[in-house]
Amino acid sequence: AQTVTQSQPEMSVQEAETVTLSCTYDTSESDYYLFWYKQPPSRQMILVIRQEAYKQQNATENRFSVNFQKAAKSFSLKISDSQLGDAAMYFCAYRSVYNNNDMRFGAGTRLTVKP
Amino acid sequence: DAGVIQSPRHEVTEMGQEVTLRCKPISGHDYLFWYRQTMMRGLELLIYFNNNVPIDDSGMPEDRFSAKMPNASFSTLKIQPSEPRDSAVYFCASSYRSYEQYFGPGTRLTVT
Repeated sequence: AQTVTQSQPEMSVQEAETVTLSCTYDTSESDYYLFWYKQPPSRQMILVIRQEAYKQQNATENRFSVNFQKAAKSFSLKISDSQLGDAAMYFCAYRSVYNNNDMRFGAGTRLTVKP
Repeated sequence: DAGVIQSPRHEVTEMGQEVTLRCKPISGHDYLFWYRQTMMRGLELLIYFNNNVPIDDSGMPEDRFSAKMPNASFSTLKIQPSEPRDSAVYFCASSYRSYEQYFGPGTRLTVT
């Protein structure tokens, strides 16, 4: 079964600075999707960004970008120009396109933004 | 679209009572997921459906938990009898094929 590992339980960043959250995953599949979700104190799970494994180009959404290293099975999230509203739990997720579209989440990283 | 709708948003019940959580997925989505989130165990996948059929229920804690999806626009998660350790936030999410899941606002369940 696929596993998703987020090795940083907590991270902290100064407002306006850049922070990178790490995620690694284990799979034998060649095609899949990867996602980052944000969960603020309101507890609503919000999709931040997604990456298709067959695409070499790293996904970007405004201040959020990923560094997708398929061979290394690494999928990190970079947040540029951090804002107070970025403070949240961030979850990395893997979605299979073969195995009944199975979905797995990492344990999450709590990001604190200091003013 | 209104997004994924869950009800109730909060539920407080006594141990031994039956609890039913409800979910309306986004129209057109063919996958529906139920998750449980606690501080201790994080986000756990309980069960998911494809085209109303349960695909994987290996995450369901025990026989006290059951889930149904009688049609494409409605699903329930039932706990009978409820126990204090079932206290958690329960999320429903839906997706189209392998694409991203959209989550509901969650139901905060407290069992006393």
